[in-house]
Amino acid sequence: QVQLRESGPGLVKPSETLSLTCTVSGVSFSTGNYYLSWIRQPPGKGLEWIGYVYYNGATNYNPALKSRVSMSLDTSKNQFSLKLTSLTAVDTAVYYCARVLVVGRKVIDAFDVWGPGTMVTVSS
Amino acid sequence: IQLTQSPSSLSASVGDRVTITCRASQGYSNFLAWYQQKPGQAPKLLIYSASTLQSGVPSRFSGSGSGTEFTLTISSLQPEDFATYYCQQLYAYPLTFGGGTRVEIK
Repeated sequence: QVQLRESGPGLVKPSETLSLTCTVSGVSFSTGNYYLSWIRQPPGKGLEWIGYVYYNGATNYNPALKSRVSMSLDTSKNQFSLKLTSLTAVDTAVYYCARVLVVGRKVIDAFDVWGPGTMVTVSS
Repeated sequence: IQLTQSPSSLSASVGDRVTITCRASQGYSNFLAWYQQKPGQAPKLLIYSASTLQSGVPSRFSGSGSGTEFTLTISSLQPEDFATYYCQQLYAYPLTFGGGTRVEIK
């Protein structure tokens, strides 16, 4: 059974860089055809897709955040990471990692497995 | 692509039939998913490709629609269904979500 879990600092100062890690268990990245995404949700608000990274390292980012975002994979550790630079208070949110649903060889772009989320507060 | 859900909230009783609508500013075919989110939890995928029930989801949930108008129906509301529901378009990047519909106990 595939499980995801986010980890990282709960509090970050404005203008600093956020680094989060998502550890995937129950499957090896070496099986291929994996898209892994980051999604965030400000307190009391809706969901925002940040981007995804493919198992071969290719990425696709939300244009609204593209200039500040980078994602990468560490296949040896079954982990993928998110970096978000130049933080402000509007980046305060619960950050989720999630697996993109693939049915057969078709990528559906829905998210079928989610981590529990990690709250990140941007404050001095 | 902007997604507009209606209503933004509703009150219903156990056993009621509940329908939530999601309208997209543009779209094509069946490129839509629905999620359920309970307080303090991650969203849970209910339906994808507009009408395909995700494995393990009860059959009282159903989805329909095409193009730019979609609906999520709960045929007989159960106590565990009180939650917030989100639609998500699968048609174009960036992937986007609706604003949510909160289903509360009447």
